[in-house]
Amino acid sequence: DGGITQSPKYLFRKEGQNVTLSCEQNLNHDAMYWYRQDPGQGLRLIYYSQIVNDFQKGDIAEGYSVSREKKESFPLTVTSAQKNPTAFYLCASSILQTPRGEAFFGQGTRLTVV
Amino acid sequence: GESVGLHLPTLSVQEGDNSIINCAYSNSASDYFIWYKQESGKGPQFIIDIRSNMDKRQGQRVTVLLNKTVKHLSLQIAATQPGDSAVYFCAEKPLGRAGSYQLTFGKGTKLSVIP
Repeated sequence: DGGITQSPKYLFRKEGQNVTLSCEQNLNHDAMYWYRQDPGQGLRLIYYSQIVNDFQKGDIAEGYSVSREKKESFPLTVTSAQKNPTAFYLCASSILQTPRGEAFFGQGTRLTVV
Repeated sequence: GESVGLHLPTLSVQEGDNSIINCAYSNSASDYFIWYKQESGKGPQFIIDIRSNMDKRQGQRVTVLLNKTVKHLSLQIAATQPGDSAVYFCAEKPLGRAGSYQLTFGKGTKLSVIP
């Protein structure tokens, strides 16, 4: 079945550590996205990529980094510079120029700083 | 409707009743509006969308209504079932701009279905 797979589902990070969240899709979508979701809040865009080896900052990119070496993969690294990393992270993908804006989401990774 | 703080607005309905979830959007120049359903601990799922040149669109058990005069969007769920319990949020996309990264998401409404 086609879809987006995020791993791990739960992740714990110590203060000062970098952690990487995985996102893989087999939908053959060109565009991929990372969102952050906090309790009672809407989704906020961290980074997006429309093509391999290219990505753009979203609204809250500080403290995060991404790479897009393969079409299928768009990992997100939460660096120690991110002051409040505890959140639910969602990866999504879409057809590049979808006029409707519809995105397909993974099941999310819940990151907790301990 | 939209929340303004840390707590989501909650709608509780009896199983079998109809549910109406509301969303106030901000950009009068948006051309697509999308409703997503997010179950606890999962990613959002697309439910239905509507283009700005429409007032109403129906899907299976769901209807979306768009009132551009007051910038209001609603999702109606007929014969609500326990499996409909989730957070529902709307998203809007600016006119003439393609790509999902353009979406602006609302904060969501939590629907609880009472068996």
